[in-house]
Amino acid sequence: DQQVKQNSPSLSVQEGRISILNCDYTNSMFDYFLWYKKYPAEGPTFLISISSIKDKNEDGRFTVFLNKSAKHLSLHIVPSQPGDSAVYFCAARESNTGNQFYFGTGTSLTVIP
Amino acid sequence: NAGVTQTPKFQVLKTGQSMTLQCAQDMNHNSMYWYRQDPGMGLRLIYYSASEGTTDKGEVPNGYNVSRLNKREFSLRLESAAPSQTSVYFCASSLQGGIPNEQFFGPGTRLTVL
Repeated sequence: DQQVKQNSPSLSVQEGRISILNCDYTNSMFDYFLWYKKYPAEGPTFLISISSIKDKNEDGRFTVFLNKSAKHLSLHIVPSQPGDSAVYFCAARESNTGNQFYFGTGTSLTVIP
Repeated sequence: NAGVTQTPKFQVLKTGQSMTLQCAQDMNHNSMYWYRQDPGMGLRLIYYSASEGTTDKGEVPNGYNVSRLNKREFSLRLESAAPSQTSVYFCASSLQGGIPNEQFFGPGTRLTVL
């Protein structure tokens, strides 16, 4: 059973506009959430993370929002650039395991020039 | 620094054959991980090693064994490959297992089992 879900397999956005990628989770024991970006034929690379005690974390063009009551997080990219076109994975850590990370199925973002 | 390296990049096996996927990191990281990525499934943790000398099962460990040879190297072994193990395998490392530091991933090994 998928504990981290990304229900949108793909998303297309015009260059310069905002991209919003969504992630839902079911496990209330998750204490840390991360976003990774993946280009074809490469491994994922870390983008941004957020602790469950926060509701927002910002790093340049990337902002992650966490709504614990809804078990929902989102990644905002503003402004979107063609180089942002990639697959984005949401991941979560279960607090009592320390090293168990659960990944979503990914959302493929295409930024149209 | 090479970061996380994996060998081989591609491999084709017949059902029942065995093989070992190699992973090495040069970042002096404590923790290392093996994931598999399948279409529609995201990345799933197979095994991880929080520190040299320790290994633990992840979400999908059946059919696999691992060895943390030293701090740098973490290998994944398929003793008797099955078509269900056709996947892309990623190795990753992180500085401290207990703190969710970012994981650094290798480029992956694409394995096909016929």
